[in-house]
Amino acid sequence: GAGVSQSPRYKVAKRGQDVALRCDPISGHVSLFWYQQALGQGPEFLTYFQNEAQLDKSGLPSDRFFAERPEGSVSTLKIQRTQQEDSAVYLCASSLGFQQTYNEQFFGPGTRLTVL
Amino acid sequence: DAKTTQPPSMDCAEGRAANLPCNHSTISGNEYVYWYRQIHSQGPQYIIHGLKNNETNEMASLIITEDRKSSTLILPHATLRDTAVYYCIPLSGTYKYIFGTGTRLKVLA
Repeated sequence: GAGVSQSPRYKVAKRGQDVALRCDPISGHVSLFWYQQALGQGPEFLTYFQNEAQLDKSGLPSDRFFAERPEGSVSTLKIQRTQQEDSAVYLCASSLGFQQTYNEQFFGPGTRLTVL
Repeated sequence: DAKTTQPPSMDCAEGRAANLPCNHSTISGNEYVYWYRQIHSQGPQYIIHGLKNNETNEMASLIITEDRKSSTLILPHATLRDTAVYYCIPLSGTYKYIFGTGTRLKVLA
């Protein structure tokens, strides 16, 4: 079956522009996650959804970052007034449910954002 | 969540076993140890996880010490396609992964 898909794969933005990054999780997956990965670093947690509810947004670096999942499937990460420090790969992951023994997260290929 | 220590890089000859260590001395009793890898320009990929017992699947084996303070991921016959960054992730609760910087494994022909 299809895995997690993300679009666009690459995005170049001028400083100050708004961007929207899309994630299509695996069908039926309850949980959805966004991560930010700076060059040479491991992914860092941004936010978590269970269905349409955003249960944890503790990793969002500023109020310029906003995520939504209105119908409990597709999610969008929006960054307003982009800054150069926002340049990174943004990864989306989904998982089937909550239980710890079924906690495998399936990752998309990421969107590489470059802010000039 | 427990902190982890992994060597920044390792080399392994193709066809040989790759043994990737992870120190997680502050791990708590209910924290599983998950291993993921990230091949260049791809998202991380699940490999294996365990709590106390050693585990094996089609990709790898996971050896966890009796005191659970460290573990070793074993790729029994490394291939060039196993070149990747490998992350050891203790996990309690249900979802928040803390990746760290991982070990960059290079498999040499």
